[in-house]
Amino acid sequence: AQKVTQAQTEISVVEKEDVTLDCVYETRDTTYYLFWYKQPPSGELVFLIRRNSFDEQNEISGRYSWNFQKSTSSFNFTITASQVVDSAVYFCALTGRNRDDKIIFGKGTRLHILP
Amino acid sequence: EPEVTQTPSHQVTQMGQEVILRCVPISNHLYFYWYRQILGQKVEFLVSFYNNEISEKSEIFDDQFSVERPDGSNFTLKIRSTKLEDSAMYFCASGRGGNQPQHFGDGTRLSIL
Repeated sequence: AQKVTQAQTEISVVEKEDVTLDCVYETRDTTYYLFWYKQPPSGELVFLIRRNSFDEQNEISGRYSWNFQKSTSSFNFTITASQVVDSAVYFCALTGRNRDDKIIFGKGTRLHILP
Repeated sequence: EPEVTQTPSHQVTQMGQEVILRCVPISNHLYFYWYRQILGQKVEFLVSFYNNEISEKSEIFDDQFSVERPDGSNFTLKIRSTKLEDSAMYFCASGRGGNQPQHFGDGTRLSIL
């Protein structure tokens, strides 16, 4: 069965600090996709990144970076120089290789960036 | 950029009433999904739909739920007799399948009184 674990329920950091959100996944598939979504207080799901299981290169997009480690089944997300606008719930998610595969979400990490 | 649209953004309904949540997926997408998020909890899969039939459904998706693609553009989720515990945010998503990502709508917040 597929599973996503986000052990950090809630994190608070002061603005400009770096913060890493942890994600550990379980799957029997050899081909799968990992995602991060941001959910601001307005409630919509904002897509941040999708990574396939064959691409272990780390990715950086502005202040965001992602560290995919297949050996530890982890896909961690770091925000550098955090800003108040980064305050949101962040979900890590997983889907398999089949065409109509559902997305399995973690429970989310609520991130508070304090001014 | 095309997007998935959901209406209404907020629906308030009395317990026991039927409710229909509407979604317009991206036009060239073939796979359609509904997800649910109870307040403060994670997003959970309800159902996937392809080629005019349900591909997969979760245990949440019981006989009170149904989905339909009535006219080739809309994708609806119907709850026949709503319960208090149906109060949640409902997200519609669509995708082209294969290795293409699903696109989510902004959600409909359903409040059952």
